[in-house]
Amino acid sequence: GAVVSQHPSRVICKSGTSVKIECRSLDFQATTMFWYRQFPKQSLMLMATSNEGSKATYEQGVEKDKFLINHASLTLSTLTVTSAHPEDSSFYICSARSGRYEQYFGPGTRLTVT
Amino acid sequence: AQKVTQAQTEISVVEKEDVTLDCVYETRDTTYYLFWYKQPPSGELVFLIRRNSFDEQNEISGRYSWNFQKSTSSFNFTITASQVVDSAVYFCALSVLISSGSARQLTFGSGTQLTVLP
Repeated sequence: GAVVSQHPSRVICKSGTSVKIECRSLDFQATTMFWYRQFPKQSLMLMATSNEGSKATYEQGVEKDKFLINHASLTLSTLTVTSAHPEDSSFYICSARSGRYEQYFGPGTRLTVT
Repeated sequence: AQKVTQAQTEISVVEKEDVTLDCVYETRDTTYYLFWYKQPPSGELVFLIRRNSFDEQNEISGRYSWNFQKSTSSFNFTITASQVVDSAVYFCALSVLISSGSARQLTFGSGTQLTVLP
């Protein structure tokens, strides 16, 4: 099946620094990638949708200047959390879609901001 | 707008018991897709099943079975003879097909934490 990777799997950073998370589709081309955030014991909340070569579409309440998304190629999307704060600590999950239906999820990145 | 409700926050069963996870959805669209995902403690989402709104046929895959009823807007998931390895959070999700023919993003339910005790 289709494989999506995320790097890093875990990251700890200091408050005020920026962190970049990569999402790659390893064996298929992803026309659309999605970024989700999941707080402990909660559901996945969609943050933004990105299509290759165009600007990401952010969900209501998500600060686009804080969560920078770049979908530079059909196999790579990056999420940069700028000026991270402890409240940004969360589990970030990306998914990639190549066709009409299936979203293939990455293994997630656990971000801890100290 | 779409909504997915998983009323069961946590379920605990003893190994070999059968367990049913409930999912109720809301949408005004006539064409949509329903999904179930498993999220073990590692965090990675595991795809279990996809169903489209025109296919109400129930499905069985090993110990897993799904009951889709449009009349009650439900898509329930049953695990037969549960095992400890089934312990995880299970999410039901809904995706609505838009006019372009490309499925929209998923709307997830709040999840059900299933614990199977030995």
